[in-house]
Amino acid sequence: RKEVEQDPGPFNVPEGATVAFNCTYSNSASQSFFWYRQDCRKEPKLLMSVYSSGNEDGRFTAQLNRASQYISLLIRDSKLSDSATYLCVVPEGGFQKLVFGTGTRLLVSP
Amino acid sequence: DADVTQTPRNRITKTGKRIMLECSQTKGHDRMYWYRQDPGLGLRLIYYSFDVKDINKGEISDGYSVSRQAQAKFSLSLESAIPNQTALYFCATSDLIGKQYFGPGTRLTVT
Repeated sequence: RKEVEQDPGPFNVPEGATVAFNCTYSNSASQSFFWYRQDCRKEPKLLMSVYSSGNEDGRFTAQLNRASQYISLLIRDSKLSDSATYLCVVPEGGFQKLVFGTGTRLLVSP
Repeated sequence: DADVTQTPRNRITKTGKRIMLECSQTKGHDRMYWYRQDPGLGLRLIYYSFDVKDINKGEISDGYSVSRQAQAKFSLSLESAIPNQTALYFCATSDLIGKQYFGPGTRLTVT
């Protein structure tokens, strides 16, 4: 089993839709997680940190399910500008390193 | 101004050539990283450094070397470039709770 697994997509949704991505991780000792956003040919940028049960920031909600070892990212009222690849990230070694998933691609259409 | 900068942004080189990619940061972080990104494979860690005297290999360090010249500077070298090192290379810094901040990337093509 890969350390961090994501559905590569693409997820094609219309503007205004709600979309959710899941990410599974193998290290049961992991305590916190990150979601990064990456636009085509650009650098990844931190979107959200996920500690304890979850986190909400505007239209974005991240949730953590420790029993099943997955985290999710929910985007409400999708915008065209949300089109990007979303990377699930799991720290290891006490935040010394990050393990990146391969990303889920989202395409929001008019 | 960008907090993490990389030079060059694009480079085409020939097989067997030595090439250096440079990274500078103004965030004041001790931790710096080099990654490569290939389609379908995601970001893979090449080397990382926690200070100028601490260098660690990542999962794919073969064929690469690094130099941490100062807290703010971390260079990646390909001693003898080969075509399968064609990739997008990112430098990153990290704060103490694991949040990483990436440079804009270097697109390297080895012919």
